[in-house]
Amino acid sequence: GQQLNQSPQSMFIQEGEDVSMNCTSSSIFNTWLWYKQDPGEGPVLLIALYKAGELTSNGRLTAQFGITRKDSFLNISASIPSDVGIYFCAGQSLANAGGTSYGKLTFGQGTILTVHP
Amino acid sequence: EPEVTQTPSHQVTQMGQEVILRCVPISNHLYFYWYRQILGQKVEFLVSFYNNEISEKSEIFDDQFSVERPDGSNFTLKIRSTKLEDSAMYFCASRRRLAGGPYEQYFGPGTRLTVT
Repeated sequence: GQQLNQSPQSMFIQEGEDVSMNCTSSSIFNTWLWYKQDPGEGPVLLIALYKAGELTSNGRLTAQFGITRKDSFLNISASIPSDVGIYFCAGQSLANAGGTSYGKLTFGQGTILTVHP
Repeated sequence: EPEVTQTPSHQVTQMGQEVILRCVPISNHLYFYWYRQILGQKVEFLVSFYNNEISEKSEIFDDQFSVERPDGSNFTLKIRSTKLEDSAMYFCASRRRLAGGPYEQYFGPGTRLTVT
C-alpha cells in the first residue's frame, strides 16, 4: 500500500522559534491534509491543500503541496506552548478506475512537537 | 460549529465479546469513515461508507468488522469477536459530498477500546 514518510519524528524547540516538518511519498496524492492531535483526542484539521504547488496559510501555519504531488511541508512560525502536540500529514489518493474518490486518507507517522517556554 | 461525536469514549471488553462503537457524523455530510490508531502509532484507514454501502476497506477490515448506518444520524462499527490486538483508539470521520471536492475529513474525539 501507499506509504508516507514524515520527518522529523520529534522536535524540541524554544517558544518563539519556527518549526518545519515534511512528508514524502512514493505515490502521487491529489490532496494533502495536515492534522494536529492532542493526547487522547481526535485529529483536528489544520490545513487542506488541493493543487500541486499550492501554498496555504492558516494563522501562523503555512503548508505547501509539492509540485510532484508526492510531498508536502508544514511550517509553524513563532511557536507558542499550545502548539505542543502530534502533527500528522495525510494524503488522499487519486480517483479510482471508476472515477470516484472515496476519500481514504493515508497518514504519516507523525511529528511530536515539544515547545519549551 | 458542527462536529463529529462518538460514544462511548472508553470501552473495556473481554476477548471474544462483541462491541459496537457509535458515531454521529456532521449532519450534512454523506461520506463516513472509520480509522484506528494503536497506541503510539499512526492513524490507519479501516473503511469508507457512502450511499448505504461500503465503498472501500483496508486489509484490517476483515469479516469480524462490520459497519452500519441504522438511521439518518448514526454510523456504527461492530467488532463481532474482539481480539487483544483490536485494542486501539477508533476514530470516526465524515465529509461533505461536493463535485470535485473539497475532500476535508473531520474526525471525532475517538473511542478507546481496551480488550482484556
